[in-house]
Amino acid sequence: AQSVAQPEDQVNVAEGNPLTVKCTYSVSGNPYLFWYVQYPNRGLQFLLKYITGDNLVKGSYGFEAEFNKSQTSFHLKKPSALVSDSALYFCAVRDTGTASKLTFGTGTRLQVTL
Amino acid sequence: DVKVTQSSRYLVKRTGEKVFLECVQDMDHENMFWYRQDPGLGLRLIYFSYDVKMKEKGDIPEGYSVSREKKERFSLILESASTNQTSMYLCASSLHPTAHEQYFGPGTRLTVT
Repeated sequence: AQSVAQPEDQVNVAEGNPLTVKCTYSVSGNPYLFWYVQYPNRGLQFLLKYITGDNLVKGSYGFEAEFNKSQTSFHLKKPSALVSDSALYFCAVRDTGTASKLTFGTGTRLQVTL
Repeated sequence: DVKVTQSSRYLVKRTGEKVFLECVQDMDHENMFWYRQDPGLGLRLIYFSYDVKMKEKGDIPEGYSVSREKKERFSLILESASTNQTSMYLCASSLHPTAHEQYFGPGTRLTVT
């Protein structure tokens, strides 16, 4: 079975500081990994994905994520946070070795303050 | 840009009513999905469809059914709404079910009283 964990319900960071939102996964084969963002009263928006290749993936709005196979992690990062980045962030995984569907984490609320 | 629309943003229904949630995508995507989102539980897959008239159960299909008569439209049906089906319902579509990202609609917040 595949699973994904977002260990922090909320992350607080000051504007201008770097941010990290953590994600770890468990699959039996190789993973496809995704990050989505949800602004208040909106659907999810795709940020970035890792399929294969370079472990550092760059996405929308200046976000990036690093795939670490040995630590089974896919943490979302941004060098300088903005107040407008405040939102709910979801990590998702699919196991390429099975016919499984996408599994989402429980979400991490990012709060960026002035 | 891909656009996924859902028929209602907010819906209030009574226990026992039959409820229809409609989703339409305009990018000729093969695959469509219905999720429900609940605080602390993230997104859970209810049903998905990889082709017209095809459907597959997700993780929590009980109490729900779906219909896909046209490629662009995927409907979620609550046969007899119950209070534990009060939730945010999200529809999504993707070009391919595995490597490609899913595009989400704005969601329907359903309250069953």
